[in-house]
Amino acid sequence: DAGVTQSPTHLIKTRGQQVTLRCSPKSGHDTVSWYQQALGQGPQFIFQYYEEEERQRGNFPDRFSGHQFPNYSSELNVNALLLGDSALYLCASSLVQGSYNEQFFGPGTRLTVL
Amino acid sequence: AQSVTQPDIHITVSEGASLELRCNYSYGATPYLFWYVQSPGQGLQLLLKYFSGDTLVQGIKGFEAEFKRSQSSFNLRKPSVHWSDAAEYFCAVVVPSGSARQLTFGSGTQLTVLP
Repeated sequence: DAGVTQSPTHLIKTRGQQVTLRCSPKSGHDTVSWYQQALGQGPQFIFQYYEEEERQRGNFPDRFSGHQFPNYSSELNVNALLLGDSALYLCASSLVQGSYNEQFFGPGTRLTVL
Repeated sequence: AQSVTQPDIHITVSEGASLELRCNYSYGATPYLFWYVQSPGQGLQLLLKYFSGDTLVQGIKGFEAEFKRSQSSFNLRKPSVHWSDAAEYFCAVVVPSGSARQLTFGSGTQLTVLP
């Protein structure tokens, strides 16, 4: 059973460009959350998708947007890249039902903005 | 303000020594509590979690954590550290009443294990 997968592994972009990161959830999971982890810091919640809609959003600008597809996979898009967007982007999947379900994390995509 | 604090940025221990990593939270009600480990180039792996009940919880890889309501703490412990435990450790919380139940992480503690 494949866990959470993310692509690409690494990405280098220049300021002002746009980027799309992809995530496939663990089999059977229907919810995808995205986190940004800057160097030396803990992950910060960007947003969560369920039933192809954004359920909740953290303190991130509108330059960060997402999408969830019918097969539950998800994309994170970042427009007008800034140097400060350089980070490890983590995707986590879970099941929405129940009091709380563990979030399983992928290995992340390392984004470098030059 | 709601927050998760890990006071120790970096801890160094000798292999075989005991370990305690500190975590304090500041929330109106007791949140769900978690410890994750992150090795270089890897995602986050859940070590253990606390929702309610017994305040001493056992996790994987020989780790345990104790919830102390009076101190708003959830410290991670291991009686004897192995070289393979070298990694970064994150304490995290979830507010049970939130709809998305997103994880809020501390800033992490980097663990170095000396031979």
